[in-house]
Amino acid sequence: NAGVTQTPKFQVLKTGQSMTLQCAQDMNHEYMSWYRQDPGMGLRLIHYSVGAGITDQGEVPNGYNVSRSTTEDFPLRLLSAAPSQTSVYFCASSLADTQYFGPGTRLTVL
Amino acid sequence: AQSVSQHNHHVILSEAASLELGCNYSYGGTVNLFWYVQYPGQHLQLLLKYFSGDPLVKGIKGFEAEFIKSKFSFNLRKPSVQWSDTAEYFCAVNAENAGNNRKLIWGLGTSLAVNP
Repeated sequence: NAGVTQTPKFQVLKTGQSMTLQCAQDMNHEYMSWYRQDPGMGLRLIHYSVGAGITDQGEVPNGYNVSRSTTEDFPLRLLSAAPSQTSVYFCASSLADTQYFGPGTRLTVL
Repeated sequence: AQSVSQHNHHVILSEAASLELGCNYSYGGTVNLFWYVQYPGQHLQLLLKYFSGDPLVKGIKGFEAEFIKSKFSFNLRKPSVQWSDTAEYFCAVNAENAGNNRKLIWGLGTSLAVNP
């Protein structure tokens, strides 16, 4: 049972580049979410999904897109990377109210 | 708007010292409360949670937390910390009847360093 997996673990982008952070879970959880973690700012919710085909914005959605075509996968797309998006990104899935986190992706935008 | 406040941003303790990390939330209705821990270089994992019942909740690794409804608090405690408890600790709350009841409100975290 792999839980929540994220790829890549590390990524360096140039300003303006686009990329997709992958997130998958094998626990058949309906709810999935993306957070970014920045020093002194805790965890901020970017987007979330309550099930396949349904997504919604969190606190800081600008510059990011998501889709949820299957229960298992919840990719996060950066449309045009900016230095302000340098962060650690965590994907989580939840059963009831307990969230299970992936190992994170450390993204640097130059 | 709902919010979660963690009073201590950085805590430094010696091994065997007692720990208490404060967490207060602002919401007048029924809440579910969580403490998550993030060890250096690792992802967040659940330490303990309170949904209902006994307000004193015991979690993993000797941690416990007490829900005091009148104080809107959910403080985390451990009687004797170890070097391996060095980590960042996050308090989180979700409010029932607040739409999506799996959407958590997070505190900013408390960084704990335990000196051997």
